[in-house]
Amino acid sequence: DTGVSQDPRHKITKRGQNVTFRCDPISEHNRLYWYRQTLGQGPEFLTYFQNEAQLEKSRLLSDRFSAERPKGSFSTLEIQRTEQGDSAMYLCASSLGMGSNQPQHFGDGTRLSIL
Amino acid sequence: QQPVQSPQAVILREGEDAVINCSSSKALYSVHWYRQKHGEAPVFLMILLKGGEQKGHEKISASFNEKKQQSSLYLTASQLSYSGTYFCGTVLTGNQFYFGTGTSLTVIP
Repeated sequence: DTGVSQDPRHKITKRGQNVTFRCDPISEHNRLYWYRQTLGQGPEFLTYFQNEAQLEKSRLLSDRFSAERPKGSFSTLEIQRTEQGDSAMYLCASSLGMGSNQPQHFGDGTRLSIL
Repeated sequence: QQPVQSPQAVILREGEDAVINCSSSKALYSVHWYRQKHGEAPVFLMILLKGGEQKGHEKISASFNEKKQQSSLYLTASQLSYSGTYFCGTVLTGNQFYFGTGTSLTVIP
């Protein structure tokens, strides 16, 4: 069990650029979540996958955001045409099983800074 | 519609007890509790799955009152390592997971 890993740990980019983050969940974990967290706030739900299927998306996830989980393993979160308000920590979590009543294991996150 | 936690912040001396409350305006069917230390990812503490359930781990325990739509986290004989921000969490609208507003806990010697 190597834990949830996220890459990169930090990303600095200019406004208007596209960025992509990767999350590798704990192997055999079916469920994968993406959250966004800003300073002093709790994680905000963005989306989650059950295996390769994206089952729920927050309305926070504008059409500039897209997430994929091909083959039900790693996941990517892409933000197109980044804006200042996208600056945040992006957290990925995974859990075992089919329901939401399982512990979520978090990665260390990707910190995005928009110049 | 995220769960509301109280207090927002608390400072304790080592050995003192604390209670953190989590309330929802919507029905709760389960409650998660997590702790996040500064600059780190949230770490799972426990899940309560049905009304009235109480769970504990060492000196941290929690209760869940389904009728009142609230959960409480109890920290007994606090240690320095308990410092961090505590979040409750639950599934509300659809299958979206909502974290609570958070409670910052600082334990001082």
